[in-house]
Amino acid sequence: GQQVMQIPQYQHVQEGEDFTTYCNSSTTLSNIQWYKQRPGGHPVFLIQLVKSGEVKKQKRLTFQFGEAKKNSSLHITATQTTDVGTYFCAGSNDYKLSFGAGTTVTVRA
Amino acid sequence: EAEVAQSPRYKITEKSQAVAFWCDPISGHATLYWYRQILGQGPELLVQFQDESVVDDSQLPKDRFSAERLKGVDSTLKIQPAELGDSAMYLCASTKMGVYNEQFFGPGTRLTVL
Repeated sequence: GQQVMQIPQYQHVQEGEDFTTYCNSSTTLSNIQWYKQRPGGHPVFLIQLVKSGEVKKQKRLTFQFGEAKKNSSLHITATQTTDVGTYFCAGSNDYKLSFGAGTTVTVRA
Repeated sequence: EAEVAQSPRYKITEKSQAVAFWCDPISGHATLYWYRQILGQGPELLVQFQDESVVDDSQLPKDRFSAERLKGVDSTLKIQPAELGDSAMYLCASTKMGVYNEQFFGPGTRLTVL
């Protein structure tokens, strides 16, 4: 079945630095969504990408969907303490949405 | 702002007991999902409803888990009997229609089986 893999599993970042988390699918995706889950909280929707090669920005967050629609990335610039949490990608195909295991981000002040 | 409601927030039970979780999605959301999230992992879909009909329950352990959404609004997920390995967060989410819209998650029910 469809699997979505995320790397890295953990990302320890110095405040102010940039980092990228990656999402890879074994199959071509119809769309991909990104969610953020704060410690002790529930997943909250960030964005959806649909088109091949699509790039979307939300302030310091840049999301990209690969040309083959099998991978995606989330790049955060100038990391802040508010960026702490776990970032999940979720890919859909055949009307099923599969979540990756997430990248857990901690920030050193 | 409308939210997905879930209860209880926490549940502690002994193995072999029955437990039930309730979810009330955002009004007007036709699609409802139940997920299980084990610590350190992503949400795993258990069952998906479209109105009152089950669309996907391929990952639902049907020997012990059941889910219903009788009137196409709120939903109940039941486990009977509970096993130690069922300890997890059970999340409910809803969306207007299908997987091409953002999912709104409830706060979840943290289940601990002793």
